[in-house]
Amino acid sequence: DIQMTQTTSSLSASLGDRVTISCRASQDISNYLNWYQQKPDGTVKLLIYYTSRLHSGVPSRFSGSGSGTDYSLTISNLEQEDIATYFCQQGNTLYTFGGGTKLEIK
Amino acid sequence: EVQLQQSGPELVKPGASVKISCKTSGYTFTEYTMHWVKQSHGKSLEWIGGINPNNGGTSYNQKFKGKATLTVDKSSSTAYMELRSLTSEDSAVYYCARKEARAYYAMDYWGQGTSVTVSS
Repeated sequence: DIQMTQTTSSLSASLGDRVTISCRASQDISNYLNWYQQKPDGTVKLLIYYTSRLHSGVPSRFSGSGSGTDYSLTISNLEQEDIATYFCQQGNTLYTFGGGTKLEIK
Repeated sequence: EVQLQQSGPELVKPGASVKISCKTSGYTFTEYTMHWVKQSHGKSLEWIGGINPNNGGTSYNQKFKGKATLTVDKSSSTAYMELRSLTSEDSAVYYCARKEARAYYAMDYWGQGTSVTVSS
């Protein structure tokens, strides 16, 4: 099974900051890496698919990058509404999620 | 607008079964695979399995084989997940999520989640 690791479980940043969240796969996942946002009320939304492609309706301050086993999600110009937990998910072999990174305002 | 509306919270006794529904609207139900995801105690997400509504074909996470059964009702555009032989380990929030149509293996729309509590 492919394991997904988000080494930072929580992150504190200021409004307007640029924030980067990392995700590592236990083996090469060939860019089949997706990012999700879960709000405190439990609502889950797709942000980025296939490493860097922005899902419909997602603000352009969200971006993704990476290759092989290492991937990242960047939020430029952090806004209050971005307070959430972010999960990565690999789709190369079945589906596995990372442990999540909780983003808080400093 | 794509919408996935899940059934309400469940309180069930150990050893019992529960069936959660996910009613869809805003798209052609049979054209997208539906998946189910478990979130225990606000922690991470686990993929349970997926079903092709067009032909009823299913794939399961090995961990959930024998625990979860996925079905659909095409006439009402509704997906179901039944969990059986419930224990406290099954207490969690369960989400249905539609897999996008292309081959990127992302879940592009999610239900609001259904809380299942197993307690006597």
